[in-house]
Amino acid sequence: NAGVTQTPKFQVLKTGQSMTLQCAQDMNHEYMSWYRQDPGMGLRLIHYSVGAGITDQGEVPNGYNVSRSTTEDFPLRLLSAAPSQTSVYFCASSRDSEAFFGQGTRLTVV
Amino acid sequence: SQQGEEDPQALSIQEGENATMNCSYKTSINNLQWYRQNSGRGLVHLILIRSNEREKHSGRLRVTLDTSKKSSSLLITASRAADTASYFCATGLTGTASKLTFGTGTRLQVTL
Repeated sequence: NAGVTQTPKFQVLKTGQSMTLQCAQDMNHEYMSWYRQDPGMGLRLIHYSVGAGITDQGEVPNGYNVSRSTTEDFPLRLLSAAPSQTSVYFCASSRDSEAFFGQGTRLTVV
Repeated sequence: SQQGEEDPQALSIQEGENATMNCSYKTSINNLQWYRQNSGRGLVHLILIRSNEREKHSGRLRVTLDTSKKSSSLLITASRAADTASYFCATGLTGTASKLTFGTGTRLQVTL
Protein backbone atom coordinates (compact mmCIF):
# COMPACT_ATOMS: atom_id res chain seq x y z
CA ASN A 1 0.00 0.00 0.00
CA ALA A 2 1.98 2.99 -1.30
CA GLY A 3 -0.59 5.71 -0.45
CA VAL A 4 -0.16 8.82 -2.61
CA THR A 5 2.73 8.74 -5.06
CA GLN A 6 4.00 11.83 -6.85
CA THR A 7 6.49 11.92 -9.71
CA PRO A 8 8.92 13.42 -10.35
CA LYS A 9 10.36 14.55 -7.01
CA PHE A 10 12.39 17.35 -8.59
CA GLN A 11 12.09 19.14 -11.91
CA VAL A 12 13.71 22.15 -13.57
CA LEU A 13 11.87 23.73 -16.50
CA LYS A 14 12.64 26.59 -18.81
CA THR A 15 10.09 29.36 -19.17
CA GLY A 16 7.50 28.37 -21.74
CA GLN A 17 8.01 24.62 -21.46
CA SER A 18 5.14 22.33 -20.59
CA MET A 19 5.08 19.34 -18.30
CA THR A 20 2.80 17.06 -16.32
CA LEU A 21 3.14 16.32 -12.64
CA GLN A 22 1.89 12.83 -11.90
CA CYS A 23 -0.16 11.80 -8.88
CA ALA A 24 -1.48 8.32 -8.16
CA GLN A 25 -3.23 6.87 -5.12
CA ASP A 26 -3.97 3.24 -4.33
CA MET A 27 -6.50 3.77 -1.52
CA ASN A 28 -9.57 3.99 -3.78
CA HIS A 29 -10.20 7.52 -2.53
CA GLU A 30 -12.93 9.51 -4.21
CA TYR A 31 -11.42 12.95 -3.66
CA MET A 32 -8.09 14.25 -4.95
CA SER A 33 -6.52 17.70 -4.82
CA TRP A 34 -3.46 19.63 -5.92
CA TYR A 35 -1.84 22.28 -3.74
CA ARG A 36 1.19 24.49 -4.10
CA GLN A 37 3.36 25.58 -1.20
CA ASP A 38 5.47 28.73 -1.35
CA PRO A 39 7.96 29.95 1.28
CA GLY A 40 6.27 31.46 4.31
CA MET A 41 2.84 30.40 3.17
CA GLY A 42 0.59 27.49 3.78
CA LEU A 43 -0.73 25.31 1.01
CA ARG A 44 -3.00 26.87 -1.58
CA LEU A 45 -5.50 24.82 -3.53
CA ILE A 46 -4.98 24.70 -7.30
CA HIS A 47 -7.58 22.19 -8.53
CA TYR A 48 -9.55 19.40 -6.99
CA SER A 49 -11.69 16.43 -8.05
CA VAL A 50 -14.64 14.79 -6.32
CA GLY A 51 -14.59 11.73 -8.57
CA ALA A 52 -13.56 10.38 -11.94
CA GLY A 53 -14.57 12.82 -14.66
CA ILE A 54 -15.29 15.68 -12.22
CA THR A 55 -12.82 18.49 -11.56
CA ASP A 56 -13.10 22.06 -10.33
CA GLN A 57 -10.90 25.08 -9.69
CA GLY A 58 -9.40 26.01 -6.39
CA GLU A 59 -7.90 29.28 -5.20
CA VAL A 60 -5.01 29.55 -7.68
CA PRO A 61 -5.94 27.65 -10.89
CA ASN A 62 -4.45 29.94 -13.55
CA GLY A 63 -1.75 28.30 -15.64
CA TYR A 64 -2.72 24.76 -14.62
CA ASN A 65 -4.98 22.09 -16.10
CA VAL A 66 -6.18 18.84 -14.60
CA SER A 67 -8.18 15.81 -15.66
CA ARG A 68 -9.45 12.75 -13.77
CA SER A 69 -10.02 9.86 -16.13
CA THR A 70 -9.57 7.19 -13.43
CA THR A 71 -10.09 7.07 -9.67
CA GLU A 72 -6.38 6.42 -9.13
CA ASP A 73 -4.73 9.19 -11.18
CA PHE A 74 -4.93 12.97 -11.06
CA PRO A 75 -2.23 14.60 -13.23
CA LEU A 76 -1.49 18.33 -13.09
CA ARG A 77 -0.43 19.98 -16.36
CA LEU A 78 1.55 23.17 -16.74
CA LEU A 79 0.88 24.38 -20.27
CA SER A 80 3.52 27.13 -20.47
CA ALA A 81 5.69 27.31 -17.38
CA ALA A 82 6.42 30.68 -15.81
CA PRO A 83 8.90 31.61 -13.03
CA SER A 84 5.92 32.38 -10.79
CA GLN A 85 5.11 28.67 -10.86
CA THR A 86 8.32 27.81 -9.05
CA SER A 87 7.00 26.06 -5.98
CA VAL A 88 6.57 22.76 -4.19
CA TYR A 89 3.49 20.91 -5.39
CA PHE A 90 1.54 18.47 -3.25
CA CYS A 91 -1.12 16.04 -4.28
CA ALA A 92 -3.62 14.78 -1.71
CA SER A 93 -6.38 12.21 -1.67
CA SER A 94 -9.20 11.60 0.78
CA ARG A 95 -12.31 9.56 1.37
CA ASP A 96 -13.77 11.79 4.07
CA SER A 97 -12.37 14.55 6.25
CA GLU A 98 -8.73 13.40 6.49
CA ALA A 99 -6.35 14.13 3.62
CA PHE A 100 -3.37 11.95 2.73
CA PHE A 101 -0.49 13.75 1.05
CA GLY A 102 2.22 12.74 -1.35
CA GLN A 103 5.85 13.66 -0.73
CA GLY A 104 5.75 16.60 -3.10
CA THR A 105 7.34 17.73 -6.36
CA ARG A 106 9.84 20.59 -6.16
CA LEU A 107 9.55 22.55 -9.41
CA THR A 108 11.91 25.31 -10.49
CA VAL A 109 11.14 27.40 -13.57
CA VAL A 110 14.10 29.36 -14.92
CA SER B 1 -6.87 34.97 -0.05
CA GLN B 2 -8.93 32.94 2.37
CA GLN B 3 -5.88 31.64 4.21
CA GLY B 4 -5.89 31.68 7.96
CA GLU B 5 -3.12 32.96 10.13
CA GLU B 6 -1.10 31.06 12.66
CA ASP B 7 0.99 32.31 15.49
CA PRO B 8 3.64 32.24 16.45
CA GLN B 9 5.40 31.84 13.12
CA ALA B 10 8.24 30.10 14.94
CA LEU B 11 8.55 28.53 18.38
CA SER B 12 11.63 27.14 20.06
CA ILE B 13 11.31 25.11 23.27
CA GLN B 14 13.22 22.51 25.21
CA GLU B 15 12.32 18.85 25.36
CA GLY B 16 9.71 18.19 28.01
CA GLU B 17 8.07 21.61 27.72
CA ASN B 18 4.62 22.19 26.27
CA ALA B 19 4.11 23.88 22.91
CA THR B 20 1.04 25.93 22.05
CA MET B 21 0.25 27.25 18.61
CA ASN B 22 -2.78 29.22 17.53
CA CYS B 23 -4.79 29.44 14.35
CA SER B 24 -7.35 32.00 13.19
CA TYR B 25 -9.61 31.59 10.19
CA LYS B 26 -12.04 33.74 8.26
CA THR B 27 -15.18 31.83 7.31
CA SER B 28 -17.71 29.47 8.85
CA ILE B 29 -16.38 25.93 8.83
CA ASN B 30 -17.45 22.30 9.05
CA ASN B 31 -14.21 21.20 10.71
CA LEU B 32 -10.68 22.28 11.55
CA GLN B 33 -7.70 19.99 11.26
CA TRP B 34 -4.04 20.11 12.21
CA TYR B 35 -1.26 18.68 10.06
CA ARG B 36 2.45 18.21 10.67
CA GLN B 37 5.11 18.64 8.01
CA ASN B 38 8.64 17.44 8.55
CA SER B 39 11.26 19.26 6.53
CA GLY B 40 11.04 18.39 2.86
CA ARG B 41 8.18 15.95 3.34
CA GLY B 42 4.44 15.81 2.79
CA LEU B 43 1.85 16.69 5.40
CA VAL B 44 0.58 14.19 7.93
CA HIS B 45 -2.85 14.48 9.54
CA LEU B 46 -2.77 14.86 13.32
CA ILE B 47 -6.24 15.62 14.62
CA LEU B 48 -9.63 16.92 13.51
CA ILE B 49 -12.22 18.86 15.47
CA ARG B 50 -15.71 19.49 14.18
CA SER B 51 -17.49 22.83 14.40
CA ASN B 52 -19.84 21.57 17.12
CA GLU B 53 -16.95 20.42 19.33
CA ARG B 54 -14.95 22.63 21.69
CA GLU B 55 -12.05 20.40 22.71
CA LYS B 56 -10.49 17.18 21.58
CA HIS B 57 -7.56 15.05 22.77
CA SER B 58 -5.34 12.55 21.01
CA GLY B 59 -2.33 11.25 22.92
CA ARG B 60 -0.13 14.26 23.73
CA LEU B 61 -2.23 16.55 21.52
CA ARG B 62 -5.04 18.77 22.71
CA VAL B 63 -6.95 20.98 20.30
CA THR B 64 -9.56 23.59 21.13
CA LEU B 65 -11.96 25.40 18.87
CA ASP B 66 -13.78 28.69 19.47
CA THR B 67 -16.12 29.27 16.55
CA SER B 68 -17.29 32.63 17.92
CA LYS B 69 -13.72 33.93 17.69
CA LYS B 70 -12.89 31.83 14.61
CA SER B 71 -9.82 30.48 16.32
CA SER B 72 -8.21 27.22 17.38
CA SER B 73 -5.21 26.19 19.39
CA LEU B 74 -3.02 23.10 19.35
CA LEU B 75 -1.20 22.06 22.51
CA ILE B 76 1.56 19.48 22.39
CA THR B 77 2.45 18.33 25.89
CA ALA B 78 5.83 16.99 27.00
CA SER B 79 7.47 17.85 23.67
CA ARG B 80 10.13 15.61 22.19
CA ALA B 81 12.89 16.34 19.71
CA ALA B 82 10.92 14.26 17.18
CA ASP B 83 8.11 16.85 17.37
CA THR B 84 10.35 19.32 15.52
CA ALA B 85 8.36 20.17 12.39
CA SER B 86 6.02 22.75 10.90
CA TYR B 87 2.41 22.60 12.00
CA PHE B 88 -0.49 23.79 9.87
CA CYS B 89 -4.14 24.24 10.62
CA ALA B 90 -6.59 23.60 7.82
CA THR B 91 -10.28 24.33 7.63
CA GLY B 92 -12.88 22.41 5.70
CA LEU B 93 -16.19 23.88 4.61
CA THR B 94 -17.69 20.45 4.04
CA GLY B 95 -17.24 17.00 5.53
CA THR B 96 -14.67 16.13 2.89
CA ALA B 97 -11.01 17.03 2.60
CA SER B 98 -11.17 17.92 -1.10
CA LYS B 99 -11.03 21.69 -0.47
CA LEU B 100 -8.95 22.53 2.58
CA THR B 101 -7.82 26.06 3.39
CA PHE B 102 -4.48 26.08 5.18
CA GLY B 103 -2.96 28.52 7.61
CA THR B 104 0.54 29.89 7.21
CA GLY B 105 2.08 27.45 9.68
CA THR B 106 4.11 27.44 12.89
CA ARG B 107 7.67 26.14 12.80
CA LEU B 108 8.40 24.28 16.03
CA GLN B 109 11.95 23.52 17.14
CA VAL B 110 12.37 21.21 20.13
CA THR B 111 15.89 21.08 21.50
CA LEU B 112 17.43 18.55 23.85
